[in-house]
Amino acid sequence: AQKITQTQPGMFVQEKEAVTLDCTYDTSDQSYGLFWYKQPSSGEMIFLIYQGSYDEQNATEGRYSLNFQKARKSANLVISASQLGDSAMYFCAMREDSNFGNEKLTFGTGTRLTIIP
Amino acid sequence: DSGVTQTPKHLITATGQRVTLRCSPRSGDLSVYWYQQSLDQGLQFLIHYYNGEERAKGNILERFSAQQFPDLHSELNLSSLELGDSALYFCASSVGGKGYEQYFGPGTRLTVT
Repeated sequence: AQKITQTQPGMFVQEKEAVTLDCTYDTSDQSYGLFWYKQPSSGEMIFLIYQGSYDEQNATEGRYSLNFQKARKSANLVISASQLGDSAMYFCAMREDSNFGNEKLTFGTGTRLTIIP
Repeated sequence: DSGVTQTPKHLITATGQRVTLRCSPRSGDLSVYWYQQSLDQGLQFLIHYYNGEERAKGNILERFSAQQFPDLHSELNLSSLELGDSALYFCASSVGGKGYEQYFGPGTRLTVT
């Protein structure tokens, strides 16, 4: 079974609108972390936001917020007031904490976001 | 700029050859992770080092090996290269332990011809 599912291969959004990128995850761990990364066409992976499974409040970083719904096992990324520079691939990732010392990230397949002027 | 450096940025080599990819983590970070990004496999974890010791292995081929040196930089060695090894190889670093973000380097794009 996929541990991280991103069901939107591609999205087109008008500039200045808000956009939600979906991510659902599958784990039996009680302790885990959820991450979002942005990969522009240049190829680098840019860390955007992190949510721990025990964090009671949704994480926010500037225009990025993570809509964390633990019971539904979803961790959607919300980008407010989208800009042309937001056009990129976006990856959701999870770190499961049951494996002592193994801090690997498991990634979804990504969503390609295109902002339309 | 994440503070993680990787060299070289691009590498073109022939099948059967051996290459070494280098990574310097952010200042203060003890953990280094290697990931491979390919079109067919997506982003996959290869190996994790913490303060010079191997912590975990993922889907890393036996032809691949890595190490982390006392100054905390890391090298990923790829040998007997095949066409399918062509990919973007990322190094990431973190303080280490749960709850810490992993910051990625710019990647090394390996092309095997």
